[in-house]
Amino acid sequence: GENVEQHPSTLSVQEGDSAVIKCTYSDSASNYFPWYKQELGKRPQLIIDIRSNVGEKKDQRIAVTLNKTAKHFSLHITETQPEDSAVYFCAAHNDYKLSFGAGTTVTVRA
Amino acid sequence: DTEVTQTPKHLVMGMTNKKSLKCEQHMGHRAMYWYKQKAKKPPELMFVYSYEKLSINESVPSRFSPECPNSSLLNLHLHALQPEDSALYLCASSQVGRSSYEQYFGPGTRLTVT
Repeated sequence: GENVEQHPSTLSVQEGDSAVIKCTYSDSASNYFPWYKQELGKRPQLIIDIRSNVGEKKDQRIAVTLNKTAKHFSLHITETQPEDSAVYFCAAHNDYKLSFGAGTTVTVRA
Repeated sequence: DTEVTQTPKHLVMGMTNKKSLKCEQHMGHRAMYWYKQKAKKPPELMFVYSYEKLSINESVPSRFSPECPNSSLLNLHLHALQPEDSALYLCASSQVGRSSYEQYFGPGTRLTVT
């Protein structure tokens, strides 16, 4: 089955700085890679996603890159704000199943 | 309507009780999912229904019994649970097909087994 590794497990950044979270996956058949943000006590919410035929996607301060050859994808958040503090999960989709990374707790220091 | 709803929000049950969790979506999605999430961990897939048929069961103990009565509803029947089953239970739905995989999550049911 698919195995998704996510690093780092915790990330503390100064407000205004950038944050980068990296994930690797094992199954080359995985073809869709979403990123979810989960605030304490809330549901996971999709913040950005990328399909296997695209190398990069950007949405305002958030961007995701995908390297299919190396089987890794990354989330980039620029100009971080206190409301970006949350747990972020990467995931890889294959045949109905979403396999999640272990999560990264991001803390933005004011 | 891009929302998945779940009831109840919180549930406390004893190990001999029988209870049910309910999930509903009106987005026309034909795939629905149950996940279990422990604190500070990622969601773990339990079951997948596609076109109201169970397509994936991730070796979940039989004390959890899913049911999909129609394309909008998904239930999870609980019986003889253990304290370690205490967790947040998330329902999700998605379209089925090559181009649409986004899973929309419900708010979850916080389950405590005493």
